[in-house]
Amino acid sequence: DTEVTQTPKHLVMGMTNKKSLKCEQHMGHRAMYWYKQKAKKPPELMFVYSYEKLSINESVPSRFSPECPNSSLLNLHLHALQPEDSALYLCASSQPLLGSSYNEQFFGPGTRLTVL
Amino acid sequence: QKEVEQNSGPLSVPEGAIASLNCTYSDRGSQSFFWYRQYSGKSPELIMFIYSNGDKEDGRFTAQLNKASQYVSLLIRDSQPSDSATYLCAVRNAGKSTFGDGTTLTVKP
Repeated sequence: DTEVTQTPKHLVMGMTNKKSLKCEQHMGHRAMYWYKQKAKKPPELMFVYSYEKLSINESVPSRFSPECPNSSLLNLHLHALQPEDSALYLCASSQPLLGSSYNEQFFGPGTRLTVL
Repeated sequence: QKEVEQNSGPLSVPEGAIASLNCTYSDRGSQSFFWYRQYSGKSPELIMFIYSNGDKEDGRFTAQLNKASQYVSLLIRDSQPSDSATYLCAVRNAGKSTFGDGTTLTVKP
């Protein structure tokens, strides 16, 4: 299984809503990532988890809250978002950050988020 | 100066030609280098990775890395219309990937 899955595919939410994005992989990867991608721009790193611990937070606003319940799952909890947060949210996974020479990232299909 | 720069494009080549995509990076500590293909509305798809200086070939794709010049390239031989997409160069250091802005390639039948 070389797939990263994400749910939902599309999400529309108001600025007062609370929602969660989910990501799952069964490749035995121990590093998982959240990226945000705006139209015609490259992916921007938000968070990195290594062995289920948060290792990189790229100064993301607290209205985005990541969670890694186990080695296969990654969540992104959303609360009080702004319209400018509308984007494609991508999850990725890779081999562990340390102790592995091969750390290519595999991306999920993304969640298209619209904040009204 | 951007951390990862790609030739601005768009790049248009006829079917069957060689497409050449270039990328330069500023962080000399970068350890691994990736090329992703992204179709409009889809997520990035990994097509090549390279860690050592020199060339790496996989089918119609060849990645070239020159760490001294801080340069990585992707050659696509026998380009097909299905290769039309945005190609993203990504550079990794200590778990953090930085992407270039991408080069849009159009292969004309």
